Amino acid sequence: AQTVTQSQPEMSVQEAETVTLSCTYDTSENNYYLFWYKQPPSRQMILVIRQEAYKQQNATENRFSVNFQKAAKSFSLKISDSQLGDTAMYFCAFMNPPNFGNEKLTFGTGTRLTIIP
Amino acid sequence: EADIYQTPRYLVIGTGKKITLECSQTMGHDKMYWYQQDPGMELHLIHYSYGVNSTEKGDLSSESTVSRIRTEHFPLTLESARPSHTSQYLCASTYSTGELFFGEGSRLTVL
Repeated sequence: AQTVTQSQPEMSVQEAETVTLSCTYDTSENNYYLFWYKQPPSRQMILVIRQEAYKQQNATENRFSVNFQKAAKSFSLKISDSQLGDTAMYFCAFMNPPNFGNEKLTFGTGTRLTIIP
Repeated sequence: EADIYQTPRYLVIGTGKKITLECSQTMGHDKMYWYQQDPGMELHLIHYSYGVNSTEKGDLSSESTVSRIRTEHFPLTLESARPSHTSQYLCASTYSTGELFFGEGSRLTVL
């Protein structure tokens, strides 16, 4: 079974600074998907960024980027120019490829990120 | 925002009551999921469905049951609620792209 580990339960950073959230995972599969989800206080969980394991290029979405190290099974999230609205729980998640017969997300324990004004 | 809705958002009930948490999506997604999440904690998959009349138990054992009679509807039922069922329940759906769309959650408190 796949496991996802987030070793930073809480982090805080000053507004406009850059912060990196760590995630490691364990799998014997070669093809899979990795995600970062954001859960703001009392609001819906939303997708921040997605990485397909067969793509070597790191995914980027505006201020959010990942550092995907497949051999090390590491998938960190970098938030640049952090904003107050980035305050949330961030979950790293793993999924086998669609149509693999096991399309379930396995989540890490989350990192609570607070952006300080 | 995603078109997936959960009701009720908050529910406080007594032990032994039967409850149903509703989840509906208007996106035509085949795959739907129920996750259980204690406050500030990770999500645990308790049920999932890959289509009408398809339901499976997730990784975390749960006394709840689900049904999938219509594509858009995936309700979760507890026949006899207990304090140990107090938690937040999140419903989600997806195409086969891996991106899950989540509802706002149903926070259940059993006294």
